[in-house]
Amino acid sequence: AQKITQTQPGMFVQEKEAVTLDCTYDTSDPSYGLFWYKQPSSGEMIFLIYQGSYDQQNATEGRYSLNFQKARKSANLVISASQLGDSAMYFCAMRYYGQNFVFGPGTRLSVLP
Amino acid sequence: GAVVSQHPSWVICKSGTSVKIECRSLDFQATTMFWYRQFPKQSLMLMATSNEGSKATYEQGVEKDKFLINHASLTLSTLTVTSAHPEDSSFYICSARGGPGELFFGEGSRLTVL
Repeated sequence: AQKITQTQPGMFVQEKEAVTLDCTYDTSDPSYGLFWYKQPSSGEMIFLIYQGSYDQQNATEGRYSLNFQKARKSANLVISASQLGDSAMYFCAMRYYGQNFVFGPGTRLSVLP
Repeated sequence: GAVVSQHPSWVICKSGTSVKIECRSLDFQATTMFWYRQFPKQSLMLMATSNEGSKATYEQGVEKDKFLINHASLTLSTLTVTSAHPEDSSFYICSARGGPGELFFGEGSRLTVL
């Protein structure tokens, strides 16, 4: 069965520093997509970055980059130059054949001034 | 671990009909469940917060009469899309709050209205 693991329930980072949020997944499907979402206190889920299982290069979107290590089945999110507004819950998710989602338990990131 | 199950995972219906989507917490009681709708660029918009035994709290811009939410028990919340139209076609996801800081997501339901 597909599964997403986020081992860090909470993380702290100093403003302007970089932080890595861990995500490992388990699937036997060769085709899948990996997503990271940010959930601020408003409750909505904001899409941050996407990595396809066949993509050769790591995805990047502005200050967000995804460290994709397929053999290790990990898809860590790296946020560079953290800002106070980055404080939120972060969810790693996988979408596999059949278009269903599997979400991880989330990591709460707190950015310190 | 805690599991949230959604049913159906995929539904196709004719315009004008109503569709019910169920969200169940399988191994824990959830007094609060959330319903999301996926929009372009993959973001999930919070539609409403479903509270067991009371009326749902809808986000601004979400039609209460269009998207009926019922949370009749501690393990089940339902979203009914009434008089569905093609523009309601979307991916709907629910989540349920377990313990403090815990949030578990369903697999989502793909609605296609013809």
